[in-house]
Amino acid sequence: AQSVTQPDIHITVSEGASLELRCNYSYGATPYLFWYVQSPGQGLQLLLKYFSGDTLVQGIKGFEAEFKRSQSSFNLRKPSVHWSDAAEYFCACLGSSNTGKLIFGQGTTLQVKP
Amino acid sequence: DTEVTQTPKHLVMGMTNKKSLKCEQHMGHRAMYWYKQKAKKPPELMFVYSYEKLSINESVPSRFSPECPNSSLLNLHLHALQPEDSALYLCASSQGGSDTQYFGPGTRLTVL
Repeated sequence: AQSVTQPDIHITVSEGASLELRCNYSYGATPYLFWYVQSPGQGLQLLLKYFSGDTLVQGIKGFEAEFKRSQSSFNLRKPSVHWSDAAEYFCACLGSSNTGKLIFGQGTTLQVKP
Repeated sequence: DTEVTQTPKHLVMGMTNKKSLKCEQHMGHRAMYWYKQKAKKPPELMFVYSYEKLSINESVPSRFSPECPNSSLLNLHLHALQPEDSALYLCASSQGGSDTQYFGPGTRLTVL
């Protein structure tokens, strides 16, 4: 069965430091992968997505992610974190049946220290 | 424009009440979704509408009744809910299939 794993439940980084959030997926074919961000009590905002092509994808707010098929990973990175980046981050994969069913990881809570 | 709107923002209801959540998108998307999200958890898919027809029901209790009056609107009718139904209800839309889903801000539902 398809699954998405975010190994880090909670991450704390200092403002200005670099960030990497990990995401691993389990899927037989080339997956469609997404990173969403959610501020408390808000909806999910799309940061970036990977469907095919260049394995390094750029997103909004200075985020990027790299698809690595050999490692079944789609890690999210940002070179310099801002206090406003504190939020919940979800990695997601679209299911194989083309029904539009998103499979989410459990999420990673990012805390930013001043 | 990638905006999905949801009303109301907050809703408090008793277990005998009937209420409705509303979702609207004007992106020309053909698929719309309802998700339920409990605190500190990822969203869980409830329903999918494709071309105004219900295509997926993830074994949701009948006290939740979705409706898609047209391609831009999606409603979720609530009746005889339980306190454990308290959650953030998120609506999303997409072109369907493997296309990107865009989420609304959600309705925070509290059942007393």
